[in-house]
Amino acid sequence: DGGITQSPKYLFRKEGQNVTLSCEQNLNHDAMYWYRQDPGQGLRLIYYSQIVNDFQKGDIAEGYSVSREKKESFPLTVTSAQKNPTAFYLCASSITGDHEQFFGPGTRLTVL
Amino acid sequence: KNQVEQSPQSLIILEGKNCTLQCNYTVSPFSNLRWYKQDTGRGPVSLTIMTFSENTKSNGRYTATLDADTKQSSLHITASQLSDSASYICVVRGERDDKIIFGKGTRLHILP
Repeated sequence: DGGITQSPKYLFRKEGQNVTLSCEQNLNHDAMYWYRQDPGQGLRLIYYSQIVNDFQKGDIAEGYSVSREKKESFPLTVTSAQKNPTAFYLCASSITGDHEQFFGPGTRLTVL
Repeated sequence: KNQVEQSPQSLIILEGKNCTLQCNYTVSPFSNLRWYKQDTGRGPVSLTIMTFSENTKSNGRYTATLDADTKQSSLHITASQLSDSASYICVVRGERDDKIIFGKGTRLHILP
């Protein structure tokens, strides 16, 4: 998984609760990304950050929030506003936005 | 609309056999095309990257081809092994907006 860690691997939450997914990288990469993967669907971009203290919405940002206070960390919060939060969440990083993305092992979130 | 279409959706072959996965895209102009392998419950791992000027690239038993005129790419797996069972995802980066578009993947099952 190339120096990117995500925790936990499995996460269960009750409907209506916010939950934060962790993503850490020790590759000294500037860019970090969050994707959502659903069965039979391609990866969809939630948020991305090209540099510390800056981030942009991806294609499906509604109901999610992020922060990028440190270069190595890019946590994702799934809020109660996200209508269908149950999914497999993948974090990735790259040297810059133009380079290959390296993916973490993913977190499977199940909202009961 | 920029799209990446993969076929077949799923494929079952016997161990030791060869197979070819297809990727058609409409992204234009495009910067590069990657094939990723994703084991179940894991993050994707890059197999090959091809730019506009490249026709073929190999990585062990994996060989990717690219026809930029017809906007088609294929991933050929030779002498398949049980460990090749995974999803294979085609990813295209657009040159104009630098956007990355993921295909839905081909699910490959290798039977002993």
